[in-house]
Amino acid sequence: QQPVQSPQAVILREGEDAVINCSSSKALYSVHWYRQKHGEAPVFLMILLKGGEQKGHDKISASFNEKKQQSSLYLTASQLSYSGTYFCGTGASGAGSYQLTFGKGTKLSVIP
Amino acid sequence: NAGVTQTPKFRVLKTGQSMTLLCAQDMNHEYMYWYRQDPGMGLRLIHYSVGEGTTAKGEVPDGYNVSRLKKQNFLLGLESAAPSQTSVYFCASSRTGTRAYNEQFFGPGTRLTVL
Repeated sequence: QQPVQSPQAVILREGEDAVINCSSSKALYSVHWYRQKHGEAPVFLMILLKGGEQKGHDKISASFNEKKQQSSLYLTASQLSYSGTYFCGTGASGAGSYQLTFGKGTKLSVIP
Repeated sequence: NAGVTQTPKFRVLKTGQSMTLLCAQDMNHEYMYWYRQDPGMGLRLIHYSVGEGTTAKGEVPDGYNVSRLKKQNFLLGLESAAPSQTSVYFCASSRTGTRAYNEQFFGPGTRLTVL
């Protein structure tokens, strides 16, 4: 079952902040975040593991609430280059832990 | 390093035709994946492989077959294409699975249209 992302879309002015949420109904071991620009491949941003530290991007941070099976991606002081669709991918705790299940994405548009 | 490459970039098929999509990676990754991306649906896993000679079904495997005869290559086959298989197909690879700090590296995608 796909994780649920919110919001579906958001428009920001340069310099504003945004939060993108990812929620799963399954117990999670890991959460990945990717950004995809139009017509391009998804690009890695961040990984969060259960009980571990995050690994990722200098200007983007994220949190992982293991008890609630939720993750949030924080984009601060947004730049035009932040525009794109953001996907979370969740890795389950039990069987089938080799694969990620991606959400439907959050489209972020940053305008001057 | 080329990373992950996909062949072809575009293809148009008629219903019932067959084709094979090729994915190659030069990072010595163990894990490889095939996804399809449809508007508003995100990325959905078709099949994946955890090593040379192994394959497993993902979320939407029906109508597709895969093979991983060499570690660096992962092939996706459509035996009898249907209009519902019109999509953008992405291949990805990772060093190991999801229980580690291992990001997936994606290829540029193949845009397939089935008429």
